[in-house]
Amino acid sequence: GAVVSQHPSRVICKSGTSVKIECRSLDFQATTMFWYRQFPKKSLMLMATSNEGSKATYEQGVEKDKFLINHASLTLSTLTVTSAHPEDSSFYICSAQDSLVASYEQYFGPGTRLTVT
Amino acid sequence: LAKTTQPISMDSYEGQEVNITCSHNNIATNDYITWYQQFPSQGPRFIIQGYKTKVTNEVASLFIPADRKSSTLSLPRVSLSDTAVYYCLVGDGNTGFQKLVFGTGTRLLVSP
Repeated sequence: GAVVSQHPSRVICKSGTSVKIECRSLDFQATTMFWYRQFPKKSLMLMATSNEGSKATYEQGVEKDKFLINHASLTLSTLTVTSAHPEDSSFYICSAQDSLVASYEQYFGPGTRLTVT
Repeated sequence: LAKTTQPISMDSYEGQEVNITCSHNNIATNDYITWYQQFPSQGPRFIIQGYKTKVTNEVASLFIPADRKSSTLSLPRVSLSDTAVYYCLVGDGNTGFQKLVFGTGTRLLVSP
């Protein structure tokens, strides 16, 4: 099946610094990718829709200037958490669909655990 | 997007059949029902999807009554490795099910 990777899998950063998380579709093209955030024992919360070659669409309540999304190619989307604070510590997950296949299945990455100290 | 309601948690033993029911009273004509499984510290994994009646694959079965206001995920003969959170989602087939809204999920614990 299709594979989505994320890098890094874990990251610890100091408060006030920025962290970039990469999401890659390894064997398929994805014009659209999605970014989710998940707090411990909670459900996934959709943060934004990442569109290749255009601006991302953010969900209500998600600060676009804090969570910068770039989707520069059909296989890569990045999420940059700017000026991170301890409350940004969470599990970040991306997902994608194969743009060339009429499929309903979304493929999720393994997630990135961010800890801000 | 139609809201889904499912039990917060369920307990079972190895070898038993587990049925998790999800309510989606406001499901629209174009909506399909999809179930995902998530293990701790991993991304969700697609299990099964259906529109009506019954769908079966190598992992599970999905039962959808005629009014489509609920659905039941059936896991035959569960094992310890089936301990996970199971999410029921309803998505618009016309948009390719792209935007997924996750509910609370059902935390299934399988014991020996």
